[in-house]
Amino acid sequence: QVQLQESGPGLVKPSQTLSLTCTVSGGSVTSGSFYWSWIRQHPGKGLEWIGYIYSTGSIDYNPSLKTRVTISVDTSKNQFSLKMNSVTAADTAVYFCARGANVLFLASWGQGTLVTVSS
Amino acid sequence: EIVMTQSPATLSVSPGDRATLSCKASQSVSDNLAWYQQRPGQPPRLLIYEASTRATGVPARFSGSESGTEFTLSISSLQSEDFVVYFCQQYNNWPPTFGGGTRVEIK
Repeated sequence: QVQLQESGPGLVKPSQTLSLTCTVSGGSVTSGSFYWSWIRQHPGKGLEWIGYIYSTGSIDYNPSLKTRVTISVDTSKNQFSLKMNSVTAADTAVYFCARGANVLFLASWGQGTLVTVSS
Repeated sequence: EIVMTQSPATLSVSPGDRATLSCKASQSVSDNLAWYQQRPGQPPRLLIYEASTRATGVPARFSGSESGTEFTLSISSLQSEDFVVYFCQQYNNWPPTFGGGTRVEIK
């Protein structure tokens, strides 16, 4: 049973870079056919897919965030990461890491971490 | 991007009754539609994928159906733990998009 756990600062200042890491246990980020994904949920609102890194290393981003987002993987630590630059209050949200198998629905999720953008 | 519209925003149902939740796609998504359940403070839980296939461990009272670009999640005989929020998600086109959610509340 794969488990995912997000970690990173809960408070980021406007215009700075948000950095989060997802640690994976019970499975390898480089094996199988999986989409290792980042999703966010604004307070009391719906869900937004930020992007993914596939097991083979290919990456795709939501066009609405593409210019500010980078997803990468650290195979030695079995982690994948999210960086989002030039954040504003509109980026305040709960950020989830999750895994999709073969297709882009998500059967495994981390618990989520709240990131607040505020000075 | 494809817009997913869920209705109603809030559904009031009595325990033991049936709930019917709707999700409409702005264009065809084939059967590439998933449903999730989200409890307060928890991540979404996958209930249904491919419009009508229950995920592992999901009770049989949850069922999904489709008619063109309109999708339905039905919950027969609502239990106390079912009174939470449900989201639909299309994964036919990039980026995958979610509906705004339906909250099922106790009538």
